Amino acid sequence: DGGITQSPKYLFRKEGQNVTLSCEQNLNHDAMYWYRQDPGQGLRLIYYSQIVNDFQKGDIAEGYSVSREKKESFPLTVTSAQKNPTAFYLCASRSTGDTDTQYFGPGTRLTVL
Amino acid sequence: SQQGEEDPQALSIQEGENATMNCSYKTSINNLQWYRQNSGRGLVHLILIRSNEREKHSGRLRVTLDTSKKSSSLLITASRAADTASYFCATDAALDSNYQLIWGAGTKLIIKP
Repeated sequence: DGGITQSPKYLFRKEGQNVTLSCEQNLNHDAMYWYRQDPGQGLRLIYYSQIVNDFQKGDIAEGYSVSREKKESFPLTVTSAQKNPTAFYLCASRSTGDTDTQYFGPGTRLTVL
Repeated sequence: SQQGEEDPQALSIQEGENATMNCSYKTSINNLQWYRQNSGRGLVHLILIRSNEREKHSGRLRVTLDTSKKSSSLLITASRAADTASYFCATDAALDSNYQLIWGAGTKLIIKP
């Protein structure tokens, strides 16, 4: 899982609550990404950030929000507006060198009760 | 959006046999990558092949790329129980300056001892 940490590993949320998933990296990477993975599926991009204080929506941004105040940190908030938030959430980072390799954290499994 | 499609969706073989997985994509690319995901974990980068390359090796892994057919294959030779995982291909669109990766749905590989 490289130098990326995600917490918590498991998260339970009641309907109507906002929750924030943490993602921290010590790889000195400029770009960071949040993906959602549903059972048996590939990864879908929620948000990404290529530089501090800037981020863009991915394919499924509705019901989610992010911030990028520090290079090392890219927290994801799952809001009550996200109608089906139960999923596995993966954070990744990428060096802006000459490869497009992404490095992933261990993931957070969010379950809505 | 997902432009990669892996084939087969699932593959079960005996330990020691070779495993071949295929990936097809839709648009022109700069490179194609393969990642492995153990159950409930983050993804790990395996190998990257650039659009001007046709074959690449890394240990027991061999990747081929056919840009005319927009397809790639991943061969794992002499499979081991530890190779049991899901394998994903990811491509970057050649004209996309945002360096997003487009993911397939993955091939679930089971190695029987």
